[in-house]
Amino acid sequence: DGGITQSPKYLFRKEGQNVTLSCEQNLNHDAMYWYRQDPGQGLRLIYYSQIVNDFQKGDIAEGYSVSREKKESFPLTVTSAQKNPTAFYLCASSKGTGGLNTEAFFGQGTRLTVV
Amino acid sequence: RKEVEQDPGPFNVPEGATVAFNCTYSNSASQSFFWYRQDCRKEPKLLMSVYSSGNEDGRFTAQLNRASQYISLLIRDSKLSDSATYLCVVRAGNTGKLIFGQGTTLQVKP
Repeated sequence: DGGITQSPKYLFRKEGQNVTLSCEQNLNHDAMYWYRQDPGQGLRLIYYSQIVNDFQKGDIAEGYSVSREKKESFPLTVTSAQKNPTAFYLCASSKGTGGLNTEAFFGQGTRLTVV
Repeated sequence: RKEVEQDPGPFNVPEGATVAFNCTYSNSASQSFFWYRQDCRKEPKLLMSVYSSGNEDGRFTAQLNRASQYISLLIRDSKLSDSATYLCVVRAGNTGKLIFGQGTTLQVKP
């Protein structure tokens, strides 16, 4: 089945540790995105990538890092510099970022809790 | 000012009612517009894209007003299963960023 897979679904991290969230898509989409959602809030953009080997900061990039070495994969690292990392993290992809048919499709998300 | 703004609600309506949500955006270079639905503790799912001429999908109608920079979603004959949060989404033409509004919560009651 085509789609976006995020893993793990639930993740617990100790304070001071870095952790990497996985996002893989087999939709042959060029663009990928990472969002953070806090309870009762909307989605805030962390990083996005329009093409392999290129990515841009979103609105809340501090304390996060990404890589885009393969078209299918866009992992997000939550570093110890992120002051309040407990949140619901959502990965998405789209065919592109211009023209028609640029709607994004989401993975099921990863719930990260710092303990 | 937020790039995409929605009334958070909640909107509480009886089954069968018609309800409308509005959304405003600040970037005049925005080029694509969408409505997503998000159920509690789930990922957002595309409800419909919004086209310049307006478009309809069953009980759902979306409209775009570029001059006033707002988007609307109309739901007719509300069902219990329509209860969810509706997210207005705008793609900035100059950066390609996909920006979400904070969402409008709809509760349809029997």
